[in-house]
Amino acid sequence: QVQLVQSGAEVKESGSSVKVSCKASGVTFSSHAISWVRQAPGQGLEWVGQFTPMFGIANYAQKFQGRATITADESTNTAYMELNSLTSEDSGVYYCARDGIPTERQNFGMDVWGQGTTVIVSS
Amino acid sequence: EIVLTQSPATLSLSPGERATLSCRASQSISTYLAWYQKKPGQAPRLLIYDASNRATGIPARFSGSGSGTDFTLTISNLEPEDFAVYYCYQRTNWPSPFTFGPGTKVDVK
Repeated sequence: QVQLVQSGAEVKESGSSVKVSCKASGVTFSSHAISWVRQAPGQGLEWVGQFTPMFGIANYAQKFQGRATITADESTNTAYMELNSLTSEDSGVYYCARDGIPTERQNFGMDVWGQGTTVIVSS
Repeated sequence: EIVLTQSPATLSLSPGERATLSCRASQSISTYLAWYQKKPGQAPRLLIYDASNRATGIPARFSGSGSGTDFTLTISNLEPEDFAVYYCYQRTNWPSPFTFGPGTKVDVK
């Protein structure tokens, strides 16, 4: 059974950083990508970025470029999303998801999701 | 960055009715489009990938169509559990950024 388990809720001060983890069981990262998605309170889903271990490449949404870092440790099957220079607008629920290899013509999408990690940024 | 536009913003329907949701891309994305369902307090759920393929375990009442810039998600016979927010998502031109649409809320009339 494929499962993604994320780290617990975080309360951070404005200007600080947060690092959220996503541990996979039942699947190896090497054959997939890991995406991160955010939902701020009352807002829609927002794609943060993705890391593809096969290529060692991360790509990010323009608004997170330079501020987010997505990595993966294949030895522990754990992915990480770090976000710097936090503001109150970064408050929300962050999800990791197993994703298909982005270069493949057929891609099965973000089909397995973590439970979400709530990040609260206080000003 | 490719922009996705969804319409309508809200769709008010009764159980048993047909829901038709639209998603339009700012440029051609071939069939690199997926649909997700989101309910409060739950993780998103993949419904459709590559424009028209149902994900594992998704009921046949959900169907997707389209290519290029115009896409449609159809729910043929709304069940009570289908009232939720639906998002389209594009994954073209990697490693360019991927994007979600703003969502369509399907609520009870």
